[in-house]
Amino acid sequence: AQRVTQPEKLLSVFKGAPVELKCNYSYSGSPELFWYVQYSRQRLQLLLRHISRESIKGFTADLNKGETSFHLKKPFAQEEDSAMYYCALNFGNEKLTFGTGTRLTIIP
Amino acid sequence: DAMVIQNPRYQVTQFGKPVTLSCSQTLNHNVMYWYQQKSSQAPKLLFHYYDKDFNNEADTPDNFQSRRPNTSFCFLDIRSPGLGDAAMYLCATSRTHPMADEQYFGPGTRLTVT
Repeated sequence: AQRVTQPEKLLSVFKGAPVELKCNYSYSGSPELFWYVQYSRQRLQLLLRHISRESIKGFTADLNKGETSFHLKKPFAQEEDSAMYYCALNFGNEKLTFGTGTRLTIIP
Repeated sequence: DAMVIQNPRYQVTQFGKPVTLSCSQTLNHNVMYWYQQKSSQAPKLLFHYYDKDFNNEADTPDNFQSRRPNTSFCFLDIRSPGLGDAAMYLCATSRTHPMADEQYFGPGTRLTVT
């Protein structure tokens, strides 16, 4: 079955420390991968997508097909990074499948 | 600003009393989606419209229906809400399908069933 897993519900990181939010998937093909973010009192919005190979707000995400992972990383956490992060995949159909999300808290 | 608007933001309904949630968009996007999100869970797609073509998810209960009278508006109708239908309902749009384009989300409607 096609599945997206975010193993950490909560993650706390000190300001200035590196951040890694984990996302694993189960799919035999090549999915399209996204990270969505929801800041406090704001709507869910796209942070980055694999196909663009962009770095947004200092975040990057690399697809590891061998490990079927798409972890989100940032070298130096900032307080404004505190938010809920969702990994989302498109498995070649018409919809996104979301993970359960990780709440990231940056400790000042 | 072009955006996705959901009304109301909070809705309280009684067990078994039909309720309609509204979504409108000024982005002129082809695709509109409805998601259900329960506490600490992933957003779960209920159905979506590509233009006028309705696409229902296999596990969406018959109790949930949708209408899209024009490009800008899409409605979620819950015919007989149960306590288990209490959730945040998210509307989203995309220009085309998600493989090619991002989804733009509304702020959500939080539904309480008493």
